[in-house]
Amino acid sequence: KQEVTQIPAALSVPEGENLVLNCSFTDSAIYNLQWFRQDPGKGLTSLLLIQSSQREQTSGRLNASLDKSSGRSTLYIAASQPGDSATYLCAVRGGRNAGNMLTFGGGTRLMVKP
Amino acid sequence: EAGVTQFPSHSVIEKGQTVTLRCDPISGHDNLYWYRRVMGKEIKFLLHFVKESKQDESGMPNNRFLAERTGGTYSTLKVQPAELEDSGVYFCASSQVVNTEAFFGQGTRLTVV
Repeated sequence: KQEVTQIPAALSVPEGENLVLNCSFTDSAIYNLQWFRQDPGKGLTSLLLIQSSQREQTSGRLNASLDKSSGRSTLYIAASQPGDSATYLCAVRGGRNAGNMLTFGGGTRLMVKP
Repeated sequence: EAGVTQFPSHSVIEKGQTVTLRCDPISGHDNLYWYRRVMGKEIKFLLHFVKESKQDESGMPNNRFLAERTGGTYSTLKVQPAELEDSGVYFCASSQVVNTEAFFGQGTRLTVV
């Protein structure tokens, strides 16, 4: 059974810092990994999708890496801003008995202080 | 282009009543997924449609939940009768091709009292 863990569960940083969010998964037989952002009371916004054959993806100040063999992904946020405050979710698609569903981690709640 | 739309955004019902949630996927997306988050837990998969067919319904908790996607367009998720433990946020997602980027709706917050 695929399991996804995100560390830390919560993070508070001053504006301008670079930060790293971590995601680990137990079954490396994945199709892809997707990072989402969720604002309070809102839906999930897709940030980055990394296919299993890729090592990283970049979008603006965001960079996500994937090490499939070790079951890890990181989301790097450069020069953090108060508007980055949200919950960040990691989800993997696939795994030996996971079919095509996304398996989510518990999320990292990020607060960027001005 | 419109995103994934869910209706209603909130629903409060009494235990034993019936509730129907609706999801309109992005136009042209054959794959439609339902997920939910119950209090304090991770988001969990419920089921997956490919067009009008149920591809995977392994996450459906019990037979009080019925999902349909007639005509392969919008989908409904009915809970009948609702129980207290069904409270949570129900998300719908769609993707053009299976195993590609999934786009989520804003969710329906269901409260059973």
